[in-house]
Amino acid sequence: ETAVFQTPNYHVTQVGNEVSFNCKQTLGHDTMYWYKQDSKKLLKIMFSYNNKQLIVNETVPRRFSPQSSDKAHLNLRIKSVEPEDSAVYLCASSLDWGGGQDTQYFGPGTRLLVL
Amino acid sequence: QQKVQQSPESLTVSEGAMASLNCTFSDGTSNNFRWYRQHSAKGLEVLVSIFSDGEKEEGRFTAHLNRANLHVSLHIREPQPSDSAVYLCAATNAYKVIFGKGTHLHVLP
Repeated sequence: ETAVFQTPNYHVTQVGNEVSFNCKQTLGHDTMYWYKQDSKKLLKIMFSYNNKQLIVNETVPRRFSPQSSDKAHLNLRIKSVEPEDSAVYLCASSLDWGGGQDTQYFGPGTRLLVL
Repeated sequence: QQKVQQSPESLTVSEGAMASLNCTFSDGTSNNFRWYRQHSAKGLEVLVSIFSDGEKEEGRFTAHLNRANLHVSLHIREPQPSDSAVYLCAATNAYKVIFGKGTHLHVLP
């Protein structure tokens, strides 16, 4: 049963455009995450938010910016996309940060293709 | 930084035969480990979480953790064709979750 929702499913755009991905969780969790999954299926954390506060910000280009209006929503904006941004972007949530003890639940992902 | 290596990259088994997947990590800093499954074009589904040395069973999925050997495995009992997917191992420490590159499992009917 899906409880982490992502939109859109797919997005095709051109180099230099701005894109925005949405994520909502209905689990009542306090912590949300964005991951990038490359063509080789490797998942890398990008950002973690706990109660609307940024707690982890991995080394990602400045054109990536997370946006959180409340603890149930964490969006991802990419200004001026580049070809290497083509990937699947996965959103996840967990009950709390808790040093990583809590299981993360993932959304279905947003597949981005930059032409 | 913690590194997570999975083997094999691809595994084909017949329906009903035990499937065994391996995951090694580079150091002992992680405090828990999880196995996830990802079907094509879908999100990740958590299968088993394990925090202590030994075994943890969740239905047909059993994880075995050996911290001294920096190794965690996943055994799938009586696999079905619907279990065909990518299986990802993840190691978590205080601030990060590090994923392996995954094992592609193919279960033949």
